[in-house]
Amino acid sequence: QQKVQQSPESLIVPEGGMASLNCTSSDRNVDYFWWYRQHSGKSPKMLMSIFSNGEKEEGRFTVHLNKASLHTSLHIRDSQPSDSALYLCAAETDSGYNKLTFGKGTVLLVSP
Amino acid sequence: EAAVTQSPRSKVAVTGGKVTLSCHQTNNHDYMYWYRQDTGHGLRLIHYSYVADSTEKGDIPDGYKASRPSQENFSLILELASLSQTAVYFCASSERTEVFFGKGTRLTVV
Repeated sequence: QQKVQQSPESLIVPEGGMASLNCTSSDRNVDYFWWYRQHSGKSPKMLMSIFSNGEKEEGRFTVHLNKASLHTSLHIRDSQPSDSALYLCAAETDSGYNKLTFGKGTVLLVSP
Repeated sequence: EAAVTQSPRSKVAVTGGKVTLSCHQTNNHDYMYWYRQDTGHGLRLIHYSYVADSTEKGDIPDGYKASRPSQENFSLILELASLSQTAVYFCASSERTEVFFGKGTRLTVV
């Protein structure tokens, strides 16, 4: 079964609004979580990573991690139409080699 | 920025035929990967390699082979292409931190 679960599957937010995306892993060996963004027809690009409990902020993007529950969330404030994309969460275990297990993704649409 | 180049960018193959997807990176990265992307499945790891002349099976290796003849090059081989292998394939490289993806190869098996 899918080891990385993302929710919701899709999300519509108004321009200037807040988008909140969720991700949970069922693998207790996860060390890192990565968030990637993929615009339509393009390759995934890394947004943020987190490995410590707590919060990490970069510009309009904030990532939270609760290691006990293996849950991470990505929050985008002041959402822009250019943020419309597929957001992929990936978990990396302590096996090394940067092997990423991806969730199915959340499709975000920011409506003007 | 890290450079991962895939060729071809798109390909139509016949069922039962052999397909080779190529990947070249100029990042001097040790790790390379092949992922496939299908609608509704995110990205799934097929094969990976952490050193030249060695490859490892990922999560969905059946029906695929991989070859890493040098640090820079990593190929994915479909010996007998099947309809179920129609997908977008991404090659990627990393050096123990961020994974960088190529632009992808759209493979259609008919």
